[in-house]
Amino acid sequence: AQSVSQHNHHVILSEAASLELGCNYSYGGTVNLFWYVQYPGQHLQLLLKYFSGDPLVKGIKGFEAEFIKSKFSFNLRKPSVQWSDTAEYFCAVTNNAGNMLTFGGGTRLMVKP
Amino acid sequence: GAVVSQHPSRVICKSGTSVKIECRSLDFQATTMFWYRQFPKQSLMLMATSNEGSKATYEQGVEKDKFLINHASLTLSTLTVTSAHPEDSSFYICSARGGGVAYEQYFGPGTRLTVT
Repeated sequence: AQSVSQHNHHVILSEAASLELGCNYSYGGTVNLFWYVQYPGQHLQLLLKYFSGDPLVKGIKGFEAEFIKSKFSFNLRKPSVQWSDTAEYFCAVTNNAGNMLTFGGGTRLMVKP
Repeated sequence: GAVVSQHPSRVICKSGTSVKIECRSLDFQATTMFWYRQFPKQSLMLMATSNEGSKATYEQGVEKDKFLINHASLTLSTLTVTSAHPEDSSFYICSARGGGVAYEQYFGPGTRLTVT
């Protein structure tokens, strides 16, 4: 069975600080990886995804993530956060068949203006 | 494109009654739909997977007789919470996957169920 762990449950940053959210997964086969964001009171939105190819993936709103296969990691990064990035971030993985999307526990990010 | 809607967005019901939640893919055909449950300050937990025209596959620990799922068309899936109890109060989210972009699920806005 696949599993996803996000190490940071709560992160508080000031505007313009750099962000890195950790995500590690456990699965023996080929995986597809996602980062979703849930703004307060809104539904989940896809930030970025990795299926294959370049392990450095660029998403919306200046976010990027790097797939490091040897570390089973898919960390999310943003060089300079804004107050509007305050949200909850979920890492997720699905197997190659795409049948089951498993979510990490989520990281609640608060950006102070 | 790839919009998923849910109705209702909020529902309050009395204990013992049943509640139906609809999930629709508005601009694509969803061959597979998923139902998740999200408890406060927790992550999403997959409840079941449904493919159009066939029975849903439930995750371990999810009572199929309590959470009835119907996926009668390529654009509509329904989740019925039968004989609801206060512990069923939660945020229910559906997602849909079409035949296009591989493995990508599009999420609905969720339905907050409160059972009194």
